[in-house]
Parts: sequence; structure tokens; C-alpha cells
Amino acid sequence: EAQVTQNPRYLITVTGKKLTVTCSQNMNHEYMSWYRQDPGLGLRQIYYSMNVEVTDKGDVPEGYKVSRKEKRNFPLILESPSPNQTSLYFCASSLWDRGVSVTGELFFGEGSRLTVL
Amino acid sequence: QQPVQSPQAVILREGEDAVINCSSSKALYSVHWYRQKHGEAPVFLMILLKGGEQKGHEKISASFNEKKQQSSLYLTASQLSYSGTYFCGTVFSSNTGKLIFGQGTTLQVKP
Repeated sequence: EAQVTQNPRYLITVTGKKLTVTCSQNMNHEYMSWYRQDPGLGLRQIYYSMNVEVTDKGDVPEGYKVSRKEKRNFPLILESPSPNQTSLYFCASSLWDRGVSVTGELFFGEGSRLTVL
Repeated sequence: QQPVQSPQAVILREGEDAVINCSSSKALYSVHWYRQKHGEAPVFLMILLKGGEQKGHEKISASFNEKKQQSSLYLTASQLSYSGTYFCGTVFSSNTGKLIFGQGTTLQVKP
């Protein structure tokens, strides 16, 4: 089954304790992206990757890191989480041909709800 | 650069029509529409490319006015299953992976 898998789905942590949210897709997609969703603000893009070893900042990259060492995986790293990073996080993937807009469909994971105390 | 969606919320009766608008302050290459039901991930509806035609399937369609940098999503004869939050996403050029979503429009369809 084609899917994007995120882990953990729920996490409560404390300020400053490094954490990683993993994301894996089995569709051989070149493009992957991370979004955070907060009430009233919609989906805000954190980072994206157009292929292995190619990553770029989205609109809200501060406080986050990513890596793309393999095509299928795109982990999101919070080196020193703070309470303002409490949010619902979505990973998404898509085929890539000149731009995400060509193929269109982003496949989203189920989301990871993170609480930072 | 975040596109602005209007209205923020709308309540309909089954069978009524709705229009959701998405406006950008910057020239657009493409507009994407997604629907998210409560507690679920967003699901793709359609994409409109610059210079492309109006898209749609069944009773949901959309248009893209490049000059006005606007897109509209049309839901006709709404069904209960249309309830959810609708997001438009905008891409400014063909060689970027930056896809910026609006703040969302909540649609509630009542029996």
C-alpha cells in the first residue's frame, strides 16, 4: 500500500530535549516536505527536499533541521525544542518533475502531534 | 506571501452551493486545492497550472485567474461529505519546491 509513515504519532517532551520525527515513504517520490499545522494559521512549510542530499527552507525553518540521505526517508530534527514548537506536524511526498506543481498531488502522512512542556 | 482565503468559514445546507476564494499578492505558477477532515491528513483535490484550463470532477471544480492572481473553488449541490477545511496552496515558479498554503476555509454542510 502506498503510504507516508510518520513516527511517533504523539509525543510529549520537555524543553531542550532533542527529538527526531521520522518520515518514510514507499512510493519512490523525489519530493518530500514537512509542514506544521496550528489553529488559524493553516499549514506552514518548514523544509522541503527535491531529491537526495537536496534540501531547502520553507517559510518557518527556525528551530528545525532536516536531512535527506536516502530517497525514502526525511527526518525532522528538533535540536532544542521549545514550547512554541508545540504543533501538529505533517510529512508529505510527491513525484517531482520540474516542480511540485507539475504532478500536483502531495501524499500526506497521518501527522505527529508534538507537545513541548 | 501566504495566500488569503475567503471566507474563513461557511455553513451550508445539503444541496446548496459554495465558493471559496484564494488570493495571492504575488504572481502564481500553480494553485493546489486540498480538503482536510477533522483529525485526518489533507487530501488532494486538484491542481491548476498557469495557462491551464478550469479543472473539476463531479460537483467540485476550480478556476484560476492569472491576471488577478486568484483561484476559486466551486462546490455545487453540496453533500454532507464535503464538510471539512479547504486549503489552497500556491507555487510561484516551476522550479521551486516551495508550496505555501492559505489559512484554510472551514465548510460545514448540514442536513
